[in-house]
Amino acid sequence: QKEVEQNSGPLSVPEGAIASLNCTYSDRGSQSFFWYRQYSGKSPELIMSIYSNGDQEDGRFTAQLNKASQYVSLLIRDSQPSDSATYLCAVPYDKVIFGPGTSLSVIP
Amino acid sequence: GAVVSQHPSRVICKSGTSVKIECRSLDFQATTMFWYRQFPKQSLMLMATSNEGSKATYEQGVEKDKFLINHASLTLSTLTVTSAHPEDSSFYICSAPIYPLNYGYTFGSGTRLTVV
Repeated sequence: QKEVEQNSGPLSVPEGAIASLNCTYSDRGSQSFFWYRQYSGKSPELIMSIYSNGDQEDGRFTAQLNKASQYVSLLIRDSQPSDSATYLCAVPYDKVIFGPGTSLSVIP
Repeated sequence: GAVVSQHPSRVICKSGTSVKIECRSLDFQATTMFWYRQFPKQSLMLMATSNEGSKATYEQGVEKDKFLINHASLTLSTLTVTSAHPEDSSFYICSAPIYPLNYGYTFGSGTRLTVV
């Protein structure tokens, strides 16, 4: 059974700090990885995608992928209260498997 | 681009009635639509995958006779919750892949179903 795991939350960081969110996946053949942000009562929105080993940066967000360790992470620099949400790691197979999500709370 | 419009956003229905949820792709053709259910403080659970013109594929434990999925056109997929009960109260979300797949998946805005 293909699985996607995320570090359990909730994760609390002070405003301005770096938030680090982690995800591991079970299928070594996975090629693409997505991070979604979901605010309470809303549907998920895509914030980052990554396909090759290393880092990919987009503004305050950096996705990191290590296929050998089957590990993908999301770093949020200069965290803002508006970043408070649940972050979902998603790995597509023949369908999309979502991790359980990590709840992030940025404290002003 | 790649917008999925989902309606209704909220619905309250009586136990035993049926509710239809629609997802329309507005500016692309959605050959595949995923249907998810999400209970409070839980992750998205895939219920079924629909493909235009063919029968939906249901995940283990999902009753196909209760959750009827129709994907009759490239722009419309529907989920009908039949004989709804309070335990069906949940947040239902549809999602379609965007090709090429490096663009990920686009989600509808979700439907909050409350069965009373």
